[in-house]
Amino acid sequence: DAKTTQPNSMESNEEEPVHLPCNHSTISGTDYIHWYRQLPSQGPEYVIHGLTSNVNNRMASLAIAEDRKSSTLILHRATLRDAAVYYCILRAFSTSGTYKYIFGTGTRLKVLA
Amino acid sequence: NAGVTQTPKFQVLKTGQSMTLQCAQDMNHNSMYWYRQDPGMGLRLIYYSASEGTTDKGEVPNGYNVSRLNKREFSLRLESAAPSQTSVYFCASSELASLLWVEAFFGQGTRLTVV
Repeated sequence: DAKTTQPNSMESNEEEPVHLPCNHSTISGTDYIHWYRQLPSQGPEYVIHGLTSNVNNRMASLAIAEDRKSSTLILHRATLRDAAVYYCILRAFSTSGTYKYIFGTGTRLKVLA
Repeated sequence: NAGVTQTPKFQVLKTGQSMTLQCAQDMNHNSMYWYRQDPGMGLRLIYYSASEGTTDKGEVPNGYNVSRLNKREFSLRLESAAPSQTSVYFCASSELASLLWVEAFFGQGTRLTVV
């Protein structure tokens, strides 16, 4: 299965942009890149996804490298409520023809007031 | 709209006991998943069900069994609990799709301690 690699932790000042990197060098051509985040004592929640092109939504932006072997989640103005563990996930196809989400270990984002 | 509901939220078991974690979703999703999360680690896939009537092993299936009872419900059973199964368990669901992206929705988790 494809794997993702992320830094264990990052810090950011409040109101500043944050760039969370992810390496996925074993990605296959049809794997979507997903980002989820997990707030303390909660289940993961969806942030953004992409395939090849950069993506924007109300929560964040996703920048995908041209070779798709890495991507960066961008939070434009970090707030204290953005403090969470951010997971970069590839949706991997199984041998049975179905798909599954494989999580990496995630990046713990600390936002400083 | 409740989304994904897991029961119980907390459970303490003695080694060797058995129990079933329940999960139900009300979004008419085809696919459902069980993950475990150990302290300081990401989520690891235990089992998943791409559609009603099918189940497949994930990364860490040993010591677990699953049942896709119907489209709404996907249960996880520990037949003989071991301390190594102390973890937080998350259930998730998503639409079944092939090449299209889909968003997965997660429950609040079940915190299981095996003593």
